[in-house]
Formats: sequence, C-alpha cells, structure tokens
Amino acid sequence: GEDVEQSLFLSVREGDSSVINCTYTDSSSTYLYWYKQEPGAGLQLLTYIFSNMDMKQDQRLTVLLNKKDKHLSLRIADTQTGDSAIYFCAERTGGSYIPTFGRGTSLIVHP
Amino acid sequence: DAGVTQSPTHLIKTRGQQVTLRCSPKSGHDTVSWYQQALGQGPQFIFQYYEEEERQRGNFPDRFSGHQFPNYSSELNVNALLLGDSALYLCASSKQGDEQFFGPGTRLTVL
Repeated sequence: GEDVEQSLFLSVREGDSSVINCTYTDSSSTYLYWYKQEPGAGLQLLTYIFSNMDMKQDQRLTVLLNKKDKHLSLRIADTQTGDSAIYFCAERTGGSYIPTFGRGTSLIVHP
Repeated sequence: DAGVTQSPTHLIKTRGQQVTLRCSPKSGHDTVSWYQQALGQGPQFIFQYYEEEERQRGNFPDRFSGHQFPNYSSELNVNALLLGDSALYLCASSKQGDEQFFGPGTRLTVL
C-alpha cells in the first residue's frame, strides 16, 4: 500500500466545517504537513505538526494527530469557496529532508 | 521577496527530445528539490541539490539529471522524453533542514 493515504474527494457546503483525513505508515515520521494546491499553482504549506504534539490550531485550521493510529486530520472551520483546492498530506522523518506526499484530497465547496 | 520562481510556465515537446527546466530559489535559501506531479497524483521526489551537488535522489531514471549553480539556482534536464514524462514539475527551495517552499511549477506536455 501507499505510504500516505487520503480520500480523493470531499464536498461541503459553504459555512460548514471540512475535515480532511490522512493515514500514514511510517511510525518514525517526525513531521506531518498539510499543503494546499489551487488549480494551476504550486503547493502552499498550510500548517505542520511535530509528532510529539496531538493538536495544533491556527486561525480556521485545526490539525489533529493520533500517533497510535497514524492518523492525521485537517479541520477547516467556516469553509469558504476560496478554500476549494486540493489538499495534500505529507510526512517526513527527522533523518530525511524529503517529505512523502499523499495523492491529495479535492475539496469542493458549494454555496 | 520574489519567492520561488520557475521557467518556463508551460512547455510542449515531442517524444525523444530533451528539455531543460529552470528554478530560482527563495532569497536566503540554499537547497533546491525537484518533484514530478502527474495528473491526479501527489508530487514525487526526483532529487535534491545542496552546495552544487546532488544530495539525495528519488526513484527516477538517469534520463533525469540536474545542476545547481553558485547562486543556488537550479536546472532539471530530461533526455529522451517519453509520453509518461508529461507532468507538472515543481521546484522547492529551503534553508538547509528547514521547510520547503514550492514554486508554481512548469507544465510539460510530451506529444
């Protein structure tokens, strides 16, 4: 199986919360990331969390990490149409400079 | 601060040809990584350059080569292009060990 797995699509109504989930296999993962990619653009780092944390909040974004289950989630509060994009989960170990990416979750926000 | 820049934005080549893509890192960054992102996939790591040397390489054939210049800018070269090389090529820069910032990418189409 893949090292980082994500569901491919999520559709939400504007103003609702979105929750994007990710699972990873490497128990030595030290850094876990969420990136956003808008159409035709590169990747924008949204937030990241260290493996010794279980939660991180940054304005409308909340990251939850369950290290035991190797599960990472990104919650976007009050989702707006401008949040429509592909969201990538990525992980890397402390000994590597290179993150491993999932296939991305396409978030569609409708009115 | 210009951020990471890449050129060209789009490129069309035919099978068997060679291509060179260019990347200028964010100011203050000394490390450049290249990724290939096929349609519907997450970015796949090609290689990373630091101090003008290839420091780490992903699972890509020797047709993919690169270079880093003294000003930290970088080139990605692909020889003997195949249809399967059609993808978005992303460059990311970082200060050694820190988080990567991505450029907008070069869209390569091989006919």
